Amino acid sequence: GAGVSQSPSNKVTEKGKDVELRCDPISGHTALYWYRQSLGQGLEFLIYFQGNSAPDKSGLPSDRFSAERTGGSVSTLTIQRTQQEDSAVYLCASSPLGGASLREQYFGPGTRLTVT
Amino acid sequence: RKEVEQDPGPFNVPEGATVAFNCTYSNSASQSFFWYRQDCRKEPKLLMSVYSSGNEDGRFTAQLNRASQYISLLIRDSKLSDSATYLCVVNTNAGKSTFGDGTTLTVKP
Repeated sequence: GAGVSQSPSNKVTEKGKDVELRCDPISGHTALYWYRQSLGQGLEFLIYFQGNSAPDKSGLPSDRFSAERTGGSVSTLTIQRTQQEDSAVYLCASSPLGGASLREQYFGPGTRLTVT
Repeated sequence: RKEVEQDPGPFNVPEGATVAFNCTYSNSASQSFFWYRQDCRKEPKLLMSVYSSGNEDGRFTAQLNRASQYISLLIRDSKLSDSATYLCVVNTNAGKSTFGDGTTLTVKP
């Protein structure tokens, strides 16, 4: 079946501009995660959505970052007033169940963001 | 101290070798554990879950030691195609998922 998809695959933007990154999770998956990964570094957790519960935003690095998940499916990560240090690969993952029965995550191909 | 720690390596081994990676975690409330592999400039892909009793998938064996709070991955008969970065992942019931920074493996002919 279809996996997690993300768009765009690459985004080059000027410092100070806003960007929106999109994630389409696997159908039926209730949990959705956003991470970012800088070159040669590990994954940095950003935000976690589980069903209709309030999202866990504890990983968002600043108030320039926000995310929403509409209808329990598609998610959008928005970065306002981008800075050069925001340059990274932004990865989305979905999981069939969260909470007490945490399951494996399936990743999308990522969006490579470059802020010039 | 990081919540999940891995030896970054790199591990450089010849084809056919056996290699083992360890991963330690600090949160005793952790409930589920996984190993992922990540190829260069690609997204992480699930390699295997880790069960308390230990589990095997072909040449790969995963173990969990809750008392000492570590998980391990053993790769037997290494292949060139096993070259990648191996990430351990620890989840809590609250939905928090923490990735280690990964261990890099290079298998050489």
